[in-house]
Amino acid sequence: DAGITQSPRHKVTETGTPVTLRCHQTENHRYMYWYRQDPGHGLRLIHYSYGVKDTDKGEVSDGYSVSRSKTEDFLLTLESATSSQTSVYFCAISELDTGELFFGEGSRLTVL
Amino acid sequence: GENVEQHPSTLSVQEGDSAVIKCTYSDSASNYFPWYKQELGKRPQLIIDIRSNVGEKKDQRIAVTLNKTAKHFSLHITETQPEDSAVYFCAASKKRSGSSNTGKLIFGQGTTLQVKP
Repeated sequence: DAGITQSPRHKVTETGTPVTLRCHQTENHRYMYWYRQDPGHGLRLIHYSYGVKDTDKGEVSDGYSVSRSKTEDFLLTLESATSSQTSVYFCAISELDTGELFFGEGSRLTVL
Repeated sequence: GENVEQHPSTLSVQEGDSAVIKCTYSDSASNYFPWYKQELGKRPQLIIDIRSNVGEKKDQRIAVTLNKTAKHFSLHITETQPEDSAVYFCAASKKRSGSSNTGKLIFGQGTTLQVKP
């Protein structure tokens, strides 16, 4: 498996609180992504990054922000969590030229 | 932007039968079509992919076909086994101008495949 870890793996928080999920890779891959997975919706792209300080919005970016200050770390922040953001969040990395994504193990977030 | 539709949402087959999952995409510029398998509680993993210059690709019991004109692609699993039970996702992406595929994959909604022993 690709060297990609997510933290925390599980989190319960209350509406209105800020939350940050971290994705860390040891593969030195240029591209990193955050997806959320919800029943009936598959995997939806939130934000992605082409390199350090180079990020862009995905399909469902409202309410989320990201930062990438180092190649190995990609942070996803919910500034003020809402119940609709209860989901499983997957980070993924990819090499240039292949298109294949390697996913982390996922972070389950519950917003009460 | 790209939109990927996947059918059926659930599929139940008897062990040894074949299973077919179909996807359609909207952006004619898409040129990379992977399939991911996600077992219960696990991360999605790539099982097979196809690029737009190829019409069919096989890997043992799984195959993918692509019809660019109709903008649809399908996953075929033959001689299904209980361990094939999982959620399967199709996806599509396209190159950025002057660059390789970005991996900015847009996924279908997923198909839950159950293989009954």
